[in-house]
Amino acid sequence: DTGVSQDPRHKITKRGQNVTFRCDPISEHNRLYWYRQTLGQGPEFLTYFQNEAQLEKSRLLSDRFSAERPKGSFSTLEIQRTEQGDSAMYLCASSWTAATIMNTEAFFGQGTRLTVV
Amino acid sequence: AQKVTQAQTEISVVEKEDVTLDCVYETRDTTYYLFWYKQPPSGELVFLIRRNSFDEQNEISGRYSWNFQKSTSSFNFTITASQVVDSAVYFCALSDALNMLTFGGGTRLMVKP
Repeated sequence: DTGVSQDPRHKITKRGQNVTFRCDPISEHNRLYWYRQTLGQGPEFLTYFQNEAQLEKSRLLSDRFSAERPKGSFSTLEIQRTEQGDSAMYLCASSWTAATIMNTEAFFGQGTRLTVV
Repeated sequence: AQKVTQAQTEISVVEKEDVTLDCVYETRDTTYYLFWYKQPPSGELVFLIRRNSFDEQNEISGRYSWNFQKSTSSFNFTITASQVVDSAVYFCALSDALNMLTFGGGTRLMVKP
């Protein structure tokens, strides 16, 4: 396992179209996170999963956004009716936690760069 | 609410110079974690270090060193004898036990030959 992988790396879409991104975390990691990064800014948290359960959602995650992690493995992030303001890099990260070790470093994928035209 | 401030948006140095990247954080939590990540042009965030709030020991890893001071809420990062390959955007981040990271705005470091 070479790390967190994201697909596609780049996506150009017309305003109003739906897009879906995929993230494959490091295989033994039980936590998966989605972040959004706009140009010149730091990443901003969107949502995270503990196994298949989505435990936290940022207020940045409007109702046009939906994320899933079926079976606690890969995850998908869908944006419906895309807007130009959705143009950003979408980063996925994963980490491993246990009852006695709640915080460990998160490993990031290379991201999916979305351009809405 | 948590907040991370990286006041230096861009730093330019000549190879072999030492450079320090500043990071100041705000949190009401007594237990928290601080991170530094490097983002090269390829876009992937590369983990550099993680510190918890109870461990104020400074750390050195090769040419990299970190200075954590709770009294000033700072977690600064120094690169000694910088190299061109160090050119990247560096992010300081803060999280609670749940691992949701709050990032600073990043510092773009340019190391010129």
